[in-house]
Amino acid sequence: GAGVSQSPSNKVTEKGKDVELRCDPISGHTALYWYRQSLGQGLEFLIYFQGNSAPDKSGLPSDRFSAERTGGSVSTLTIQRTQQEDSAVYLCASSPGVAGPSTDTQYFGPGTRLTVL
Amino acid sequence: ILNVEQSPQSLHVQEGDSTNFTCSFPSSNFYALHWYRWETAKSPEALFVMTLNGDEKKKGRISATLNTKEGYSYLYIKGSQPEDSATYLCAFSSGGGADGLTFGKGTHLIIQP
Repeated sequence: GAGVSQSPSNKVTEKGKDVELRCDPISGHTALYWYRQSLGQGLEFLIYFQGNSAPDKSGLPSDRFSAERTGGSVSTLTIQRTQQEDSAVYLCASSPGVAGPSTDTQYFGPGTRLTVL
Repeated sequence: ILNVEQSPQSLHVQEGDSTNFTCSFPSSNFYALHWYRWETAKSPEALFVMTLNGDEKKKGRISATLNTKEGYSYLYIKGSQPEDSATYLCAFSSGGGADGLTFGKGTHLIIQP
């Protein structure tokens, strides 16, 4: 079956522009997660959705970052007024949402590589 | 801030040899420990989710052990093959409910033919 898909796969943008990253989870998965990996760093948790709601947004690095999920499916991560430090690979994952975010196996998408010039 | 450390950072192993590497994590408030394999140009792939002290899990030539009291997990690969070349990530959960996983920086494994 189809896995998690993300678009675009690569995005190059100029400092100060807004970008929107998209994630299509596995059909039927109610939980969705956003992570990012900056150069030389581990995967950093950004936000988690259960259905359409995000119980905790404290992982978002600044108020320039926002995420939404509609219809319990597709999610978009928006970065406003991008800065060079936003350059990273942004990964989305989904899980069935049965066992909970701590123990559910998460299925990752291929990521979006964002470069801010 | 939760600290998840993986060692070594990178590892070169001869094809056919066995190897292992370490993930250390906070021993307090432990809930679960995940291992993922991330091959270049692919998505991270789940290997194991471990929750109980003393857990041992196995998948083919790969196995993992868990010690929650001292805060470490070992990943073992027996008879390494070129296709095992990847970055191996461990991720810790304290069961915060709404939080994602806290990942280590990974061990980059290269199998030399």
